[in-house]
Amino acid sequence: KQEVTQIPAALSVPEGENLVLNCSFTDSAIYNLQWFRQDPGKGLTSLLLIQSSQREQTSGRLNASLDKSSGRSTLYIAASQPGDSATYLCAVTGGSQGNLIFGKGTKLSVKP
Amino acid sequence: GAGVSQSPSNKVTEKGKDVELRCDPISGHTALYWYRQRLGQGLEFLIYFQGNSAPDKSGLPSDRFSAERTGESVSTLTIQRTQQEDSAVYLCASSLVGGYSGTEAFFGQGTRLTVV
Repeated sequence: KQEVTQIPAALSVPEGENLVLNCSFTDSAIYNLQWFRQDPGKGLTSLLLIQSSQREQTSGRLNASLDKSSGRSTLYIAASQPGDSATYLCAVTGGSQGNLIFGKGTKLSVKP
Repeated sequence: GAGVSQSPSNKVTEKGKDVELRCDPISGHTALYWYRQRLGQGLEFLIYFQGNSAPDKSGLPSDRFSAERTGESVSTLTIQRTQQEDSAVYLCASSLVGGYSGTEAFFGQGTRLTVV
């Protein structure tokens, strides 16, 4: 059974810092990995999708990498801003049923 | 539609009543997912549809929970005889294709269910 783990569970940084969020998964037979952000009381917003054949994707200040063989992904946020404060979730698609399986998220707080 | 639409946005119901939650996926999206998120918790998978069939409904917590989907369109999640532990935000997502060719998933804003 696929399990997705995100470390750390919470992170607090001063504005302007570069930071890395980690995601690991137990079954490397995934088809893609997706990073989301969730603001309090809101739904999820898709940030980046990495197909299993890709190594990384970039969108603005965000860069996500994927090492499928080791079961790891990182989300790099450059020059963090208070508006980046949210919970960041990663999810993988894979397995015999093709489900979308989530980690528990990393709660990020960027202080002015 | 432009995005995934869920209704109602909020629902307060008395314990023991049945509720129906609706999800309208993005037009043309064949895959549809339901999740439950309790306060301060992560996303708990409920059921996944590919078209109108459900390859994975392993997450439905009890036989009080059921879901159906009409073609590649709207889905309804039904909770019978609601209990207080059913109180949560129910989130729906859709993607162009699920499973082995999984594409980007997009979420609705959720239905906040409160059982009193």
